[in-house]
Amino acid sequence: DTAVSQTPKYLVTQMGNDKSIKCEQNLGHDTMYWYKQDSKKFLKIMFSYNNKELIINETVPNRFSPKSPDKAHLNLHINSLELGDSAVYFCASSRTVKYEKLFFGSGTQLSVL
Amino acid sequence: AQKVTQAQTEISVVEKEDVTLDCVYETRDTTYYLFWYKQPPSGELVFLIRRNSFDEQNEISGRYSWNFQKSTSSFNFTITASQVVDSAVYFCALLLNTDKLIFGTGTRLQVFP
Repeated sequence: DTAVSQTPKYLVTQMGNDKSIKCEQNLGHDTMYWYKQDSKKFLKIMFSYNNKELIINETVPNRFSPKSPDKAHLNLHINSLELGDSAVYFCASSRTVKYEKLFFGSGTQLSVL
Repeated sequence: AQKVTQAQTEISVVEKEDVTLDCVYETRDTTYYLFWYKQPPSGELVFLIRRNSFDEQNEISGRYSWNFQKSTSSFNFTITASQVVDSAVYFCALLLNTDKLIFGTGTRLQVFP
């Protein structure tokens, strides 16, 4: 069983479109995250939710909107996609918010044309 | 400033060589955690180790070992008798009270047969 699963694995779309990436964890964790990895492999946090509540919101354009319907799911919706949004997006989860090991999904490679 | 520096962008070795990946971190916090993650060519992020700031004992796990030295703010990772399957990008990361995992820029390790 995959612990943190995200879909789709690849997403190719045109500029200006709206797209969503879904993430689910079956570990019973309270906290979920979205990280972005750019073309130079640099990883940076975007958002974090604890029990459906937003706790970290980095300086991310408001075209990016996370949604957590329950603590096992954290979806990422992106409006009006831009070329610079092309990256690999990783979902992750941890048991609680403090100092816990993060379990990562396998990533979604987003290509905006 | 809080940051993680992995000065080695890329390392190439021949199988069975030992290799050390350097990690230097900066923080003024007294409580923090350090991590190493592996990202193989398949793209997922695999957890390797978590170490808290109060535990400076070195750790060995099979061919992997970690040397944590607070005096030099370093958390270096050594692979003994490297194998082709060790080829990956390795990330060192720092976790503070903010719950944001701060990644280094990664070191790409290539192990040639």
